[in-house]
Amino acid sequence: QQQVKQSPQSLIVQKGGISIINCAYENTAFDYFPWYQQFPGKGPALLIAIRPDVSEKKEGRFTISFNKSAKQFSLHIMDSQPGDSATYFCAASSSNTGNQFYFGTGTSLTVIP
Amino acid sequence: SAVISQKPSRDICQRGTSLTIQCQVDSQVTMMFWYRQQPGQSLTLIATANQGSEATYESGFVIDKFPISRPNLTFSTLTVSNMSPEDSSIYLCSVAETYTEAFFGQGTRLTVV
Repeated sequence: QQQVKQSPQSLIVQKGGISIINCAYENTAFDYFPWYQQFPGKGPALLIAIRPDVSEKKEGRFTISFNKSAKQFSLHIMDSQPGDSATYFCAASSSNTGNQFYFGTGTSLTVIP
Repeated sequence: SAVISQKPSRDICQRGTSLTIQCQVDSQVTMMFWYRQQPGQSLTLIATANQGSEATYESGFVIDKFPISRPNLTFSTLTVSNMSPEDSSIYLCSVAETYTEAFFGQGTRLTVV
């Protein structure tokens, strides 16, 4: 059972455009929602994260929008650059899950110059 | 943050053989996790390895196939035993001292021929 659902599976965006990746979860006990970025041949690295007490968090060109009632959150990449081309994973965790993270299925982002 | 070194970074193995993947962390950590990432798919948790106790395996993964050692607080190994082509995947080591901090090694890309 996939605890975190992610879409789309792949995304192609023109340079300068906005990339949007969506995730949904079911377990209301989750209280930490990170996004990870993975380049080929590398392990995932934390990009940005949010807690459910805020609706938005912005770090540079990256923004997480969080809708607690809908149990959905999304990553927005503004002014997308070719260097942003990577696989992005959303995740969820909880203080009740023994430090275990539940990952979405991943989105392969390609930014075309 | 924790720095995780994984070895080997890649390997091509004959079916029926075994491969041991090493994970070294630059600090002492209680909880280590092993994931499998199949091409274009999400991170699937294989097992949780805590120092001083037996590893806890997720559904679909068994100790005979994926034995894990955790001899101290900075090191762990995962063995993929009696390999078949279906075991071809990326294997990732991760540490998470809290439910808000998960760090990954660069992964081991395994190809079974």
